[in-house]
Amino acid sequence: EAGVAQSPRYKIIEKRQSVAFWCNPISGHATLYWYQQILGQGPKLLIQFQNNGVVDDSQLPKDRFSAERLKGVDSTLKIQPAKLEDSAVYLCASSLRLAEGGSSNIQYFGAGTRLSVL
Amino acid sequence: GNSVTQMEGPVTLSEEAFLTINCTYTATGYPSLFWYVQYPGEGLQLLLKATKADDKGSNKGFEATYRKETTSFHLEKGSVQVSDSAVYFCALTDSNYQLIWGAGTKLIIKP
Repeated sequence: EAGVAQSPRYKIIEKRQSVAFWCNPISGHATLYWYQQILGQGPKLLIQFQNNGVVDDSQLPKDRFSAERLKGVDSTLKIQPAKLEDSAVYLCASSLRLAEGGSSNIQYFGAGTRLSVL
Repeated sequence: GNSVTQMEGPVTLSEEAFLTINCTYTATGYPSLFWYVQYPGEGLQLLLKATKADDKGSNKGFEATYRKETTSFHLEKGSVQVSDSAVYFCALTDSNYQLIWGAGTKLIIKP
């Protein structure tokens, strides 16, 4: 079974530029998550999708960050314009569905995109 | 609110030493508890989990027991290897099935 795919693996941009990250979840997984992981910290949830609908985007800085999952499969996270403090690893994860107990809500992670803003 | 506290790293051990990484949590209700591992240059991988009190999760020689009375989920391994060097994250799921993460503990195993 293929895992969560993310691209690019690395990206270096200057502040005020724009950048986009792509994520392809595990086939059949309805729930998709984007996280920001700053060096030395645990991941911070940015946005959570269930199919193509947003479940939670309360921690997404909406003045500069946007995300979409138009067909309920692939997802794109965009930053426009980027700031120095956006330097981090952006992780995408997916789970089968939102469900209590069992293995359905175990999250599987991609390798991440390391963003450096200069 | 819900939170997870892990012991600060780095933790440095010699090969074949016994490992404990402490994790305690604050949560309402009965969350599921997880340990994820992040090897250098890779994404997060689920190491083990426990969904109710007194459950023991185990994988690759690692174990952790869900202790409701002490709100803990400490990670243990009897004999570590160099290949276990990684960052270990403790996490719980809240009522929205979102993961609440600890800050991570870096483990360094010396041959």
